Amino acid sequence: AQSVTQLDSQVPVFEEAPVELRCNYSSSVSVYLFWYVQYPNQGLQLLLKYLSGSTLVKGINGFEAEFNKSQTSFHLRKPSVHISDTAEYFCAVTGSNDYKLSFGAGTTVTVRA
Amino acid sequence: GAGVSQSPSNKVTEKGKDVELRCDPISGHTALYWYRQSLGQGLEFLIYFQGNSAPDKSGLPSDRFSAERTGGSVSTLTIQRTQQEDSAVYLCASSLGLAGGSWPSPQYFGPGTRLTVL
Repeated sequence: AQSVTQLDSQVPVFEEAPVELRCNYSSSVSVYLFWYVQYPNQGLQLLLKYLSGSTLVKGINGFEAEFNKSQTSFHLRKPSVHISDTAEYFCAVTGSNDYKLSFGAGTTVTVRA
Repeated sequence: GAGVSQSPSNKVTEKGKDVELRCDPISGHTALYWYRQSLGQGLEFLIYFQGNSAPDKSGLPSDRFSAERTGGSVSTLTIQRTQQEDSAVYLCASSLGLAGGSWPSPQYFGPGTRLTVL
């Protein structure tokens, strides 16, 4: 089975500052990793995914993440955030022998002017 | 194109009543998933349908929960004799599944149904 730990439950950040959301995973098989964003009262929107290939993955809205197998991490970054990036962010994992997603507990990002 | 749709968006019911939640997946998606999002438990997998194969029900929390998928498209999640601990947001997702070419196919989520059991 796979599992994910999101290391920060809340991340306050000022507008135009960089942000990093940390995600570590645990798995005994090859993994596939995802970041989803949830805006207030909405469903989950896929930000980016790592399936294979380049370890640096670029997603929508200027986000990127780096898969680090040796550190079992998949941290999400954005060099300059906007007020509209205020949302909850979920890291998720599935394994080569699975299909259902296992989610982290989520990180709430609050962007202030 | 149209995304995953769910209805109703909100449902308030009394303890002991049955409820049905509906999910319309993205056209052409053969895989359909139900998840539950609650304050105490986060996001949990409930059930998975892939084409005409038998569903994976391993995430259903009790036998009060059941789901079906008719014609390989629309799915209904039914909760019988609802309890207060069933209050949560129920999310449906779909993906290309095994027909996607590359595995795994990303899952695309609907807006959810917020269930409140009084």
